[in-house]
Amino acid sequence: DAGVTQSPTHLIKTRGQQVTLRCSPKSGHDTVSWYQQALGQGPQFIFQYYEEEERQRGNFPDRFSGHQFPNYSSELNVNALLLGDSALYLCASSFQGASDTQYFGPGTRLTVL
Amino acid sequence: QKEVEQNSGPLSVPEGAIASLNCTYSDRGSQSFFWYRQYSGKSPELIMSIYSNGDKEDGRFTAQLNKASQYVSLLIRDSQPSDSATYLCAVNSVNKFYFGSGTKLNVKP
Repeated sequence: DAGVTQSPTHLIKTRGQQVTLRCSPKSGHDTVSWYQQALGQGPQFIFQYYEEEERQRGNFPDRFSGHQFPNYSSELNVNALLLGDSALYLCASSFQGASDTQYFGPGTRLTVL
Repeated sequence: QKEVEQNSGPLSVPEGAIASLNCTYSDRGSQSFFWYRQYSGKSPELIMSIYSNGDKEDGRFTAQLNKASQYVSLLIRDSQPSDSATYLCAVNSVNKFYFGSGTKLNVKP
């Protein structure tokens, strides 16, 4: 049973650049949520996708956008990168029928220089 | 005011003791509550979920929920050095998930 996968594992970008992170949900799951976790902090909710639409959004600027594909995989895009965007980006998947039981992927470590 | 508050610790307990981790939340409309364990450099791993007032036990772990006091706790019995990690409390409110900053637990052999 494949768990949640994310790519890439690590990424280094410079300020002003754009980045795309990818996530494949756990087999049987159809809902994907994205989180940003800064060092020493808990994950901060960015948004959740279900049926290819953004269902909920946290307090993140429009520079953060996403997409969900028909196969339930998802992308997180961040434009105009800032130094403060350096963090671990986590994807979590769940099944709509139990949409609050989430399983996390290994994360993508983004460093902005 | 943060939505979910946890004592950052570290909480140090000897091997075999009971570790008690606590969490408070601000939104009375919160529907479900979770405890995750996160080892350094790894992603959070779900330990327990709880939805109604009272206790829920799973092996060495017991989650306790008191909605009137807006309080969630996690007890770890017979603590092991392998339990040393950061424990994150999470709350679901209208499909938005709020995490605390986590409590670091050290179990000393």
